[in-house]
Amino acid sequence: EIVLTQSPGTLSLSPGERASLSCRASHSVTGNFLAWHQQKPGQAPRLLIYATSSRAPGIPDRFSGSGSGTDFTLTISRLEPEDFAVYYCQQYGNSPWTFGQGTKVEIK
Amino acid sequence: QVQLVQSGAEMRKPGASVKVSCKTSGYVFTSFAITWVRQAPGQRPEYMGWINPDNGNKHSAQNFRGRVTLTTDTSTRTASMELKSLRSDDTAVYFCARVIMGGSSWFIDFWGRGTLVTVSS
Repeated sequence: EIVLTQSPGTLSLSPGERASLSCRASHSVTGNFLAWHQQKPGQAPRLLIYATSSRAPGIPDRFSGSGSGTDFTLTISRLEPEDFAVYYCQQYGNSPWTFGQGTKVEIK
Repeated sequence: QVQLVQSGAEMRKPGASVKVSCKTSGYVFTSFAITWVRQAPGQRPEYMGWINPDNGNKHSAQNFRGRVTLTTDTSTRTASMELKSLRSDDTAVYFCARVIMGGSSWFIDFWGRGTLVTVSS
């Protein structure tokens, strides 16, 4: 199975700053079928990005995804207070679907 | 609006079974698959399986084969996940999620809030 490794584990930033989250796969992700999900305590996770770079409906354009093969990035151009959360990458191009261990974006 | 409302927290003893339900609304139930993902404390999410409510086709992850049963009830628009022979390391939050069944790939587009299952003697 494909192992996804996210870095850094924690990102300490201030509102208005740019966040760059990395997700590296142990093998090439078929079709670049990689998604990013946001999770806040006590809430349902939320899909942000699918197919590497497509934003889910209703997701602000400050969220963008890029990459291919084994290296993928989620960028938040300017952090808003509601963006402080845990972010997971997930690949769905290969069975079984797998998730990264998460990056926590916290307020500095 | 799309809603996936999961059943409440459960406590079980080792060896027992648990059934978690996921009642959906706001969309055509048979047009999307349902997947189940669990997250143990401090761990990454783990895929368990999916089921297509339209035709009953299903897939279970290797780690859960023989222990997990996925079902749907189209009359109540509800998906369920039963896990048997529970162990302490099955303690986790169990999520249901809606899956878009695209031509070339299937992917999660909407999540439930999760159900905490605690396994302890």
